[in-house]
Amino acid sequence: DSGVTQTPKHLITATGQRVTLRCSPRSGDLSVYWYQQSLDQGLQFLIQYYNGEERAKGNILERFSAQQFPDLHSELNLSSLELGDSALYFCASSPGQVSQPQHFGDGTRLSIL
Amino acid sequence: SQKIEQNSEALNIQEGKTATLTCNYTNYSPAYLQWYRQDPGRGPVFLLLIRENEKEKRKERLKVTFDTTLKQSLFHITASQPADSATYLCALPPMNRDDKIIFGKGTRLHILP
Repeated sequence: DSGVTQTPKHLITATGQRVTLRCSPRSGDLSVYWYQQSLDQGLQFLIQYYNGEERAKGNILERFSAQQFPDLHSELNLSSLELGDSALYFCASSPGQVSQPQHFGDGTRLSIL
Repeated sequence: SQKIEQNSEALNIQEGKTATLTCNYTNYSPAYLQWYRQDPGRGPVFLLLIRENEKEKRKERLKVTFDTTLKQSLFHITASQPADSATYLCALPPMNRDDKIIFGKGTRLHILP
């Protein structure tokens, strides 16, 4: 058990809809990372938050947004969903320094019909 | 931007033999490199971190080497077991504080009984 909790585990929705994915980091970790993993793309970094502030941004679409709350949990919001957004979305956390290992949750599998 | 290449072909190894996976990178000299294991439908799990001044790092049956001249890391599993079957990812740190961590696409390893 990594200590990182992601909800929901599965999400099925339709094109054009909006969803929110939730992540509770490991106790004591200040950094939260979001990744998208699809079959042909590998693990793609989306965004990182550190203690409530955005720290680094990857290839995150404008339709996607995220935030980290004072209690350090994080949410990833995906809107105007398209078929191509179907993927596994992972959250990871670390104490803070990027060199420290990241601990991943088991992901949310998003299916767009 | 930095790039990581891992052999995208699956690797089949007979049980008991040594499995060797390769991670090649371009465009900069990272201070360290990380290896993760990912099982189907699960989040990646951190295995080892090797720093640029370390030629080799070991953990039980795992060994990682880091050749900064060749821009390559090798990941070895000795006395391989069917339970070692998984996808193995290497990861490079960001080039600077606001940049992103990069994961390779991973190599799928099958240990044949």
